[in-house]
Amino acid sequence: EAGVAQSPRYKIIEKRQSVAFWCNPISGHATLYWYQQILGQGPKLLIQFQNNGVVDDSQLPKDRFSAERLKGVDSTLKIQPAKLEDSAVYLCASSTLGTGNEQFFGPGTRLTVL
Amino acid sequence: GEDVEQSLFLSVREGDSSVINCTYTDSSSTYLYWYKQEPGAGLQLLTYIFSNMDMKQDQRLTVLLNKKDKHLSLRIADTQTGDSAIYFCAPERSNDYKLSFGAGTTVTVRA
Repeated sequence: EAGVAQSPRYKIIEKRQSVAFWCNPISGHATLYWYQQILGQGPKLLIQFQNNGVVDDSQLPKDRFSAERLKGVDSTLKIQPAKLEDSAVYLCASSTLGTGNEQFFGPGTRLTVL
Repeated sequence: GEDVEQSLFLSVREGDSSVINCTYTDSSSTYLYWYKQEPGAGLQLLTYIFSNMDMKQDQRLTVLLNKKDKHLSLRIADTQTGDSAIYFCAPERSNDYKLSFGAGTTVTVRA
């Protein structure tokens, strides 16, 4: 089966610019996650969707980050305006519902903010 | 303090065994996962253990769980150069099924 797809793989922008990342989860996976992984750290959950509804966005800096999952499939994560500290790898993952269900990760988008 | 703690670095000779240790705080975690991250890649699930087990073996991988001490370990037998990566211990949180990640252990395999 196809894995989680993300694009772009790399993005370099200047601070105060905007950027958007795209994720296509594994077909049939109801749950979709966006993580931020800063260099030298583990992934930090930004937002979790179940179908097209937000389950948890408590760690999402809502003044500059937004995410949507229209039609419960693809998702986009946007940063506007970007700050230097947003430089990180943004990982998308998907899973089926419930406990004990493996999260499948995409390759990530590496964002560099100059 | 952190929910999950791991030592940051491990260097091992090719062919030897690697042991990566992890301590966690959520004593009610039902599933505890080990993920591997190679350079420039996402996380790949290596193995997991259910909380009612104290050991699980899967080919070269052995997971040990000490629930009393909230300690998890991953042993890789006959470590190969392809095992060089960052390894994350990720207990599933009992209240919402989300994963808690530590900073990861960077394993370097030397010839």
